Amino acid sequence: DTAVSQTPKYLVTQMGNDKSIKCEQNLGHDTMYWYKQDSKKFLKIMFSYNNKELIINETVPNRFSPKSPDKAHLNLHINSLELGDSAVYFCASSQPGQGNTGELFFGEGSRLTVL
Amino acid sequence: LAKTTQPISMDSYEGQEVNITCSHNNIATNDYITWYQQFPSQGPRFIIQGYKTKVTNEVASLFIPADRKSSTLSLPRVSLSDTAVYYCLVGDYPGGFKTIFGAGTRLFVKA
Repeated sequence: DTAVSQTPKYLVTQMGNDKSIKCEQNLGHDTMYWYKQDSKKFLKIMFSYNNKELIINETVPNRFSPKSPDKAHLNLHINSLELGDSAVYFCASSQPGQGNTGELFFGEGSRLTVL
Repeated sequence: LAKTTQPISMDSYEGQEVNITCSHNNIATNDYITWYQQFPSQGPRFIIQGYKTKVTNEVASLFIPADRKSSTLSLPRVSLSDTAVYYCLVGDYPGGFKTIFGAGTRLFVKA
């Protein structure tokens, strides 16, 4: 079983459309994240949720709306897609807390191309 | 969060030991040092974490001097499959929720 799985893996769409990326983790972790990796390969944190509550929002445009129906799922919905949204989006999970390394487990990524 | 500085790229040959040094002059008392590896078209993968002195696992060793202002990731006898980007991160990870990645070091292993 894949620990952190994201769908779809590839997404090609037109500017102005709305799209969603889904993420699920079966590790029992309390915390989930969305990261964006652009063409220059910089990996930037976008959101972090702990037990379904948003704890980090890194000044991401409000066209991006994460939703966590339960602590095993963190979905990303993007409205009115722009060319600059083209990137690879990674979902990750971790289990913070003393005695843990806080290791992040990443999904395989979802490559979004906006035309 | 402490800022990290590491070389942009490194080249090596198969079978050699590779040492990647990371500077983190502003490391805080509660901060740990963590390294991740990222292959093309994959998410980063945790390699090793340490607080001080030396940590070794089946993949790598991490050397941290007493002042903790730098750290060195050591990969013994690299192979072509070790070609990847290696990220050095510093932060209060066991207790924190925010993991920031820098630019990383692109290691290219040649035959």
